[in-house]
Amino acid sequence: DGGITQSPKYLFRKEGQNVTLSCEQNLNHDAMYWYRQDPGQGLRLIYYSQIVNDFQKGDIAEGYSVSREKKESFPLTVTSAQKNPTAFYLCASSEGAGALKTQYFGPGTRLLVL
Amino acid sequence: LAKTTQPISMDSYEGQEVNITCSHNNIATNDYITWYQQFPSQGPRFIIQGYKTKVTNEVASLFIPADRKSSTLSLPRVSLSDTAVYYCLVGDMAGSGNTGKLIFGQGTTLQVKP
Repeated sequence: DGGITQSPKYLFRKEGQNVTLSCEQNLNHDAMYWYRQDPGQGLRLIYYSQIVNDFQKGDIAEGYSVSREKKESFPLTVTSAQKNPTAFYLCASSEGAGALKTQYFGPGTRLLVL
Repeated sequence: LAKTTQPISMDSYEGQEVNITCSHNNIATNDYITWYQQFPSQGPRFIIQGYKTKVTNEVASLFIPADRKSSTLSLPRVSLSDTAVYYCLVGDMAGSGNTGKLIFGQGTTLQVKP
C-alpha cells in the first residue's frame, strides 16, 4: 500500500530531552511537511521540504529541527528548546510544492511531556 | 495567502444536506479553494478543490460565486460518519518560490446527529 507512516503513535518526553518523530512516505513525493496541532486549533506549519537536502522554516520552527537526506524520509526532532511541545504532530507530503498540490497526511504522533 | 473565515460549529441530522460557507474576501486571481476533512486524532484528508462556478465529485460539491469572495461546501445526505472538522483553504499554484504552505484555520466542526 502507498502512503505515509508516522511513528511512534504516542511519544513521551522528559524535561530537557530531545525526541525524534519519524515520517516515511512511499508515494515518490518531492515535498514533505510537518505541522503541529493543538487542541481545538487548526494546523500550524513547522518545517517543509520541497526537495531532498533542502528544507525551510515554517511559521513555528523555533525549538524544532529537521533533515531530508532521503526523498522518502523527513524526521522531526523536538529539542529541549521547545518549551511547550505537547501537541499532535502531523506529517504530510505532496507531488510538488504549492497550495494546489493535494497534501496527503500521516496518522500523526501525539507527544506528551512527563 | 488569503485569510478565510468559517463558522466554528454546525449541527445536522442524518440524511440532511449540509452547506458550510467560507469567506475569503482577499482571494487573489491565481488562488484556488480547497477543502479538507479531519476526523479526531487523524490527519486531514482532501475533499474537493475548485476555482470558480461549481465542482462536484463523489463526496461533495463546491459552489463558488462569480466574485469568488466566498465558497460553499455541500455534503449531500450526511451520515453519522461525516461528523468531523472541515477546513477551507485558499492558495495559488506552485511556482518559483511558492512554499506550498497551507493555512489551516480553526475549521468548522460538523456534528451529525441520529
